[in-house]
Amino acid sequence: AQTVTQSQPEMSVQEAETVTLSCTYDTSESDYYLFWYKQPPSRQMILVIRQEAYKQQNATENRFSVNFQKAAKSFSLKISDSQLGDAAMYFCAYRSASFRNNNDMRFGAGTRLTVKP
Amino acid sequence: DGGITQSPKYLFRKEGQNVTLSCEQNLNHDAMYWYRQDPGQGLRLIYYSQIVNDFQKGDIAEGYSVSREKKESFPLTVTSAQKNPTAFYLCASSIPVGGGKLFFGSGTQLSVL
Repeated sequence: AQTVTQSQPEMSVQEAETVTLSCTYDTSESDYYLFWYKQPPSRQMILVIRQEAYKQQNATENRFSVNFQKAAKSFSLKISDSQLGDAAMYFCAYRSASFRNNNDMRFGAGTRLTVKP
Repeated sequence: DGGITQSPKYLFRKEGQNVTLSCEQNLNHDAMYWYRQDPGQGLRLIYYSQIVNDFQKGDIAEGYSVSREKKESFPLTVTSAQKNPTAFYLCASSIPVGGGKLFFGSGTQLSVL
């Protein structure tokens, strides 16, 4: 079964600075999708960014970008110009592209990000 | 607006009691999921369903049951066999293939009295 590992339980960043959250995963599949979700204190899960494994180009959404290293099975999230509203729990997630593999989404344990004013 | 509705927001269970958490979606998604989240933890899969009248166990299905009689609805019952039910429960839906994102409800906090 696929596993997702987030080795940083907590991170902090100064407002307006840049921070990188780490994620590694284990899979024998070649076709899959990776996600970063944000969970603020409201506990609503919000999609931050999505990466397709067959695309070499790293995904970008405004201040959020990823560094996808397929061979290393690494998928880090970079947040630029951090804002107070970025403070949240961040989850890395994996989803198989194969319907036969049941297609559920696997989550890491999360990284709690604190933004200091 | 399309989305997923979970109810109730807060639920209390007495010892020996079964309780049911509701999840309804109007996104026309075939796949639906139930996840459990413990404090400071990630999401663990309880059950999922890729089509009406069919569902599969996830990693922590013991003490839980589900049904999928309608495409829009995927209720979760926490039975008395679940000895540690206190957690935050999230329902989600998606298209079943293609790597689509999961759409999440706002969750139900279940606590034991």
